[in-house]
Amino acid sequence: GENVEQHPSTLSVQEGDSAVIKCTYSDSASNYFPWYKQELGKGPQLIIDIRSNVGEKKDQRIAVTLNKTAKHFSLHITETQPEDSAVYFCAASGGNNAGNMLTFGGGTRLMVKP
Amino acid sequence: NAGVTQTPKFRILKIGQSMTLQCAQDMNHNYMYWYRQDPGMGLKLIYYSVGAGITDKGEVPNGYNVSRSTTEDFPLRLELAAPSQTSVYFCASSYEGGSLEQYFGPGTRLTVT
Repeated sequence: GENVEQHPSTLSVQEGDSAVIKCTYSDSASNYFPWYKQELGKGPQLIIDIRSNVGEKKDQRIAVTLNKTAKHFSLHITETQPEDSAVYFCAASGGNNAGNMLTFGGGTRLMVKP
Repeated sequence: NAGVTQTPKFRILKIGQSMTLQCAQDMNHNYMYWYRQDPGMGLKLIYYSVGAGITDKGEVPNGYNVSRSTTEDFPLRLELAAPSQTSVYFCASSYEGGSLEQYFGPGTRLTVT
């Protein structure tokens, strides 16, 4: 089955700096790659996603890049703000996947220092 | 819309006890999921359902059971609770086609002692 690895597990940045979180996946048939943000005491919430027919996608300060050949994808957050502090999860889905099941990475705790 | 709701928010069980975690969604989603999240870890899929009457195992199904008698409800049953089932449990739902976004509930924090 699919295996998703995520790095780093913790990331501390100064407010205004950029943050990058990287994930690798094992199943070359995977074709959907979402990123979820989890704030303390809450369920994860989708912040951006990308499909395998696209190399990059942006939404304001957030961008995701995908390298299908290398089987890795990354989340980029620019001009970080204290409210960006949370745990971020990458995930992968696709191939022969009835039910659109997701395999999640282990998570990255992002801390933005004011 | 309330989205995905879960009850209870917290529960403490003794070893060997049983309980049902409730999950409901009001978005008419066909797909529903149960995950567990251990401290400092990612989410692992326990069971999922692609529609009423249809359920299937995920990555970590042992010790759990599910049923899906209606589109809205997807309860998770723990039989003979064990300390290894101490975790935060999340229910999620999604559309069958188009957007693949999963919508998560607020979670149930379960402690087995």
